[in-house]
Amino acid sequence: GAGVSQTPSNKVTEKGKYVELRCDPISGHTALYWYRQSLGQGPEFLIYFQGTGAADDSGLPNDRFFAVRPEGSVSTLKIQRTERGDSAVYLCASSLIGQAYSPLHFGNGTRLTVT
Amino acid sequence: ELKVEQNPLFLSMQEGKNYTIYCNYSTTSDRLYWYRQDPGKSLESLFVLLSNGAVKQEGRLMASLDTKARLSTLHITAAVHDLSATYFCAVDIKQGGKLIFGQGTELSVKP
Repeated sequence: GAGVSQTPSNKVTEKGKYVELRCDPISGHTALYWYRQSLGQGPEFLIYFQGTGAADDSGLPNDRFFAVRPEGSVSTLKIQRTERGDSAVYLCASSLIGQAYSPLHFGNGTRLTVT
Repeated sequence: ELKVEQNPLFLSMQEGKNYTIYCNYSTTSDRLYWYRQDPGKSLESLFVLLSNGAVKQEGRLMASLDTKARLSTLHITAAVHDLSATYFCAVDIKQGGKLIFGQGTELSVKP
């Protein structure tokens, strides 16, 4: 079946602009995660949704970052007033949380470049 | 602060050789994952280790978990070029809610 889909695959924006990154999880997966990966580093946790609600948003770096999942499926990560330090690959993952010990299935990511 | 540390960070090995990648973590957890990432690609799940003493094998890779030592290992047997990639371990600290990743081990297998 289809995997986790992320759009766009690449996004170049100017400093100070607003961006939205979209994630379409695997059908039926109730848990959705956003991670950020900088070059040469492991993914860094941002936020986790269980259904429509954010179960843990402790990884969001500041209030410029916000994520929603209004219908419990597609999620959008929103970044306001982008800064050059926001440049990274933003990864989305989903899992079948009702199934014990399910691994996270990652999408191909959105590469964000802030100029 | 939770830390997940992998070593080595870079590993260059010849085909046919064996080697082990180590993953140490600083908090209690009984769930650990290994992922593979090819350049420019996303992460592919390799193993899920769920309890102390767990051992899993797939092809030339074998992963183990010692929760008392807070250590997981990924052993490579008779390496082949196709295993060249970056390998990450990740510790689950909230039972399915949040993974903390190590820095990754970049493996290069040369003929």
